[in-house]
Amino acid sequence: KAGVTQTPRYLIKTRGQQVTLSCSPISGHRSVSWYQQTPGQGLQFLFEYFSETQRNKGNFPGRFSGRQFSNSRSEMNVSTLELGDSALYLCASSSDRGWTEAFFGQGTRLTVV
Amino acid sequence: SQKIEQNSEALNIQEGKTATLTCNYTNYSPAYLQWYRQDPGRGPVFLLLIRENEKEKRKERLKVTFDTTLKQSLFHITASQPADSATYLCALDWGSTLGRLYFGRGTQLTVWP
Repeated sequence: KAGVTQTPRYLIKTRGQQVTLSCSPISGHRSVSWYQQTPGQGLQFLFEYFSETQRNKGNFPGRFSGRQFSNSRSEMNVSTLELGDSALYLCASSSDRGWTEAFFGQGTRLTVV
Repeated sequence: SQKIEQNSEALNIQEGKTATLTCNYTNYSPAYLQWYRQDPGRGPVFLLLIRENEKEKRKERLKVTFDTTLKQSLFHITASQPADSATYLCALDWGSTLGRLYFGRGTQLTVWP
C-alpha cells in the first residue's frame, strides 16, 4: 500500500510569508502527527490529529497550526515565517496512538530566507 | 521534564562487528520504546518496538533490550554492513501522550569496510 505522502518536498519562502504543508497518511490510518526536525533541536513534536480533532500539541507558538480533514489528510500552516522556522517538517501516520509504529513521510524541507 | 540521551552523536565500526547504541531516559519509564533509522534527507523508518514488560526483542540482525531499572535501552546490529550506515533514533511513548513520541537526538552510525 502507498506510504505517507508529503507535498511539497522543498519550499523556499521569505520572512513574514506564510506556508501550508500537506500530508496524506497511509490509507486507513486516522492519526497524523507533525514534527519539526532541525540539526540543533532534533525531532520536536508539533501536534497530533485523530479523526479531525487535535488531541495533542507541542510547545510551539501559535503561528504553527494544523487541521485534519474527513479523509484523514492533514495540513499544517506556519504564518509570519521566521528564519528559525527553516527545518525539515515530517508527518507521521499510525493506525491509532503511538503504541504502534509511526510511518513517516519523506518530509518537506522548508527554507526561510 | 523527560530527558532522552543517546550515547554518542557518532559511532564508527568495522564491517562485520556488532554495533551497540544506547538510549537513556530520566524519570518515568515509557510504556513503549521504539527505534527508527533515518537516512539523510529522508523521514525516519520504524525498526523495532519493545514494551516495558519485555526484556528483549529481535528482528533478523537487530536486537533491542529494555531495562526499566537502569532506564536504558540498547540497540544492537550484529554482522554490521556498510548499508547499515545511518542515523538511529530512539523514541519513547508514555502511552498517555496521545500520538506523541519523544525522540532522542540520534546516533550517526558509520560502518566502514
